[in-house]
This record gives sequence, structure tokens and C-alpha cells, in this order.
Amino acid sequence: GAGVSQSPSNKVTEKGKDVELRCDPISGHTALYWYRQSLGQGLEFLIYFQGNSAPDKSGLPSDRFSAERTGGSVSTLTIQRTQQEDSAVYLCASSQTGAKNIQYFGAGTRLSVL
Amino acid sequence: EDKVVQSPLSLVVHEGDTVTLNCSYEVTNFRSLLWYKQEKKAPTFLFMLTSSGIEKKSGRLSSILDKKELFSILNITATQTGDSAVYLCAVEAQGAQKLVFGQGTRLTINP
Repeated sequence: GAGVSQSPSNKVTEKGKDVELRCDPISGHTALYWYRQSLGQGLEFLIYFQGNSAPDKSGLPSDRFSAERTGGSVSTLTIQRTQQEDSAVYLCASSQTGAKNIQYFGAGTRLSVL
Repeated sequence: EDKVVQSPLSLVVHEGDTVTLNCSYEVTNFRSLLWYKQEKKAPTFLFMLTSSGIEKKSGRLSSILDKKELFSILNITATQTGDSAVYLCAVEAQGAQKLVFGQGTRLTINP
């Protein structure tokens, strides 16, 4: 696609429910990243994929968070048993492998946990 | 731990003014520094800087990196209301791939 596409754009859920967020990267980009942006804060790294493998999961805040990527393309971020502190904008980015790691971002999913 | 600090956190100026946004960093094995503009949701890429003293320029925006003093500045001349946004600075370490972001500077341009 022309840009990074994320869905849904907004998600409202009740505390304790599971949610899935989707990211479709730029065609041909092998690297994919998930970040979280809480109100008034900078972006916080969650996880990085190279192809289908995740060499860096160091930013996942708890074992309620998981992500997968299939076919070297679409990725889903799953949050189980959501808590109010999970409320944030979840941003996905993709980049080409190479010397210049310019990450291009999607518009994000705004998650609100009631 | 890698760290990025931006200043000021918020800035309000009049249209036509020139602004300078600051970004200082601490990172092990620096690879690059990036600037993004975030208006509504998606941060959009502005500049990538890897070498000291070489100015990157795009229209009214320019940026430079000082690897000795560990900072970068983003200049915007003849500001317009469309420049109103949050400007994010991020650094990448060698071999790390992930970006470490600062808190951002919220710039407001009043007509």
C-alpha cells in the first residue's frame, strides 16, 4: 500500500476484555515496529519485527501484551485482560532494511479502556 | 539507558517568527537522529542526521547535529499556522533498530 495502514482507528473496550490491533506496513518493508503514545508523552517502543521474527520484544510492558507477524507483512498486537492504564494511542511503523532506518508511521489506533 | 530530552516542551509564537527547537541525547553507540512532525496522529518524517555539522534543509525547515555536544536543533523560519504541531526527536543506536523518542515540543503558531 501507499502508506502504513492501521485498524481500527479507535477502539473502546471494557476493562478485562481482550483487544487486537492491526498494522499493514508499506509494501516491501521488511521491518515493522509497534510504539505506544500515552497522553502528552513521547513514543514508547514496544516490539520490532524483522520479517516474521521478533528480535526485540524488550518494550512489551507485561505478559498481557503479545504481537505476531505473518507472511512478512501484516502484524497484530494483542492486549489481553485490558487495564485502564493500557489506554493510549498505539502506533505502527515500517522501514526498509538497510543503512538508513527511516521509519514511516501509520495514523495509530486510539485505545480507550473503560 | 538511552535518553532524549527536548526543549522547550511548549512554544507559542506569532506567524512569521523564527523558532529553534532543541534536542539533547544520551545514547550508547549513536547511529542517527531523526526529527518528525506530528499534527493529528501519524508522525511524518522530516530529517535524518548522522554526521556532525552538516545542515539538512527542506524549505523553511533546517536541522543540524552536534555529535560532540550531543544535541540537535530544528529551525523553522517565517513560521506559518500550518507549522503548528508536535515536533518529535528520536535517536537510534547501532544495532538497536528501535527509536528512542523525546517528549516532543508542542509548537503553536498564532496568526
